[in-house]
Amino acid sequence: DAKTTQPTSMDCAEGRAANLPCNHSTISGNEYVYWYRQIHSQGPQYIIHGLKNNETNEMASLIITEDRKSSTLILPHATLRDTAVYYCIAMKTSYDKVIFGPGTSLSVIP
Amino acid sequence: GAVVSQHPSRVICKSGTSVKIECRSLDFQATTMFWYRQFPKQSLMLMATSNEGSKATYEQGVEKDKFLINHASLTLSTLTVTSAHPEDSSFYICSASRPRGGSTYEQYFGPGTRLTVT
Repeated sequence: DAKTTQPTSMDCAEGRAANLPCNHSTISGNEYVYWYRQIHSQGPQYIIHGLKNNETNEMASLIITEDRKSSTLILPHATLRDTAVYYCIAMKTSYDKVIFGPGTSLSVIP
Repeated sequence: GAVVSQHPSRVICKSGTSVKIECRSLDFQATTMFWYRQFPKQSLMLMATSNEGSKATYEQGVEKDKFLINHASLTLSTLTVTSAHPEDSSFYICSASRPRGGSTYEQYFGPGTRLTVT
C-alpha cells in the first residue's frame, strides 16, 4: 500500500469548514483513498473513501486531485465533536488490513 | 449500519493471569477480523489477522504464543493475552470487513478494550 503524509495537527474554528490534506504521491491505480477518524479512547470510525472521483456523504466530502497524488477531506461545518485524529490511508480494498500512520490531530475550537 | 462490539470494554487483571477479549460483528458475517493495539498517544498497531476456520496471521514482532487468537465463527473472534504483564497494558481494538458492493469493503472497528495489568 502507498505511503501517505499528513500534517501532525490542525486547528479549526467551530462552525467553519475543516480541510484536512493528505499526500499520497506513490498511490497506484487500483488503490483507494480511505479516511477514518478516532475520537479519544474510542475505536476508529470510517468516514469516506474514493478512487478517482470526488465523493460526498453525510459526514464529509473527499476531493481527490486529478493526478491522484493528493486529496483533501472536508468537514463542512466542524463541531466540537469532530475533534479527533484523522487517518488517511491508501489501500486496494478495506477487506485487507488497515495500516495506520500517525494521522492528523484535529482540534475544533469554540 | 454495521456494528462491531467488544467485550469487556475495560479490564484490570493481575500480572501473570490471562485475559480474553471478544470481538463480535453484530449484523454481518466477517470471514476476516483484525486485532490492533494502541499505546497512549500512539497510532494503532496491527497485531494479527484473524481468519474464520484457520490460524491467525501475526505481524512481525507479535508473539503468537502470548496473544492467542481464535476465530470460531463468522461473527466472533477472541484475543487471549496469556500471562499478562504490566507492559501488555494497552487499548486493544478489533475490526471486521463487511462487503459494500462490487469489489469494495468497509472495515468497521470495535469500541476497544482497555486492559490494565497490575
